Amino acid sequence: DVKVTQSSRYLVKRTGEKVFLECVQDMDHENMFWYRQDPGLGLRLIYFSYDVKMKEKGDIPEGYSVSREKKERFSLILESASTNQTSMYLCASRGGGLFEAFFGQGTRLTVV
Amino acid sequence: RKEVEQDPGPFNVPEGATVAFNCTYSNSASQSFFWYRQDCRKEPKLLMSVYSSGNEDGRFTAQLNRASQYISLLIRDSKLSDSATYLCVANYGQNFVFGPGTRLSVLP
Repeated sequence: DVKVTQSSRYLVKRTGEKVFLECVQDMDHENMFWYRQDPGLGLRLIYFSYDVKMKEKGDIPEGYSVSREKKERFSLILESASTNQTSMYLCASRGGGLFEAFFGQGTRLTVV
Repeated sequence: RKEVEQDPGPFNVPEGATVAFNCTYSNSASQSFFWYRQDCRKEPKLLMSVYSSGNEDGRFTAQLNRASQYISLLIRDSKLSDSATYLCVANYGQNFVFGPGTRLSVLP
C-alpha cells in the first residue's frame, strides 16, 4: 500500500514563527502536492513538485514556500505564520500518467 | 479556467435509498476523473477512478459524459457508513482540481 506520512497531526504555532510541515511518501512517486482545506472552500493547491528540486506555484502560494531535496520528501514552509494560515494542510503524491493521488493524514495547524 | 463544480448538498437520505451526485468540469482537455470520499477530519480517500465512459464497483456507479463535461456518482442501497463528503476530481495537466464536495448523511 502507498503510504504518505505527514510529520504532525496537530500543530499550534505563534504568529510570526517559521513553520515547517514535512511529508514523506514511500512509492517513488514523481509528483507531490500541498493543499490546504478550509470549510466552504474545498481543497486549494498551494504548491506542487513534479521532480526533485522542481516546484510550481499552485492557486494560493502567497506566504508559503516549498522544498524538495529528495524524491520522497516534500516540505511546506510558512515563512512567517499568520492567523489566516490556520487550516488543515494535506500532502498528496501521485505517480506519472493519469493515476490517482494518495493523501497523507493531514496536519491541522492553528496559528495563535 | 480550471473549475470543478458539484451539487452543493447536503443530501440527507434514509438507509436503503439511491442517491446521485453530479459534477461538471470546465477543462475540456481533462482526461482522468476520480471520486474521492472524505470522512470528517480525515484525509480524502479514493473511491473510484473514471477513465472511460464509466465505472462500477458494487453499489457505486460512476458515469462520464465527455461531450457535456459531466460526471456522476450513483450510490445504491445507501448504508449508514456511506455518510461522508464526496469530492469530484478532474486532472488539469499534471494537477488535480477538486470540486468543493457534496456532503451525504444517511439516516437510520
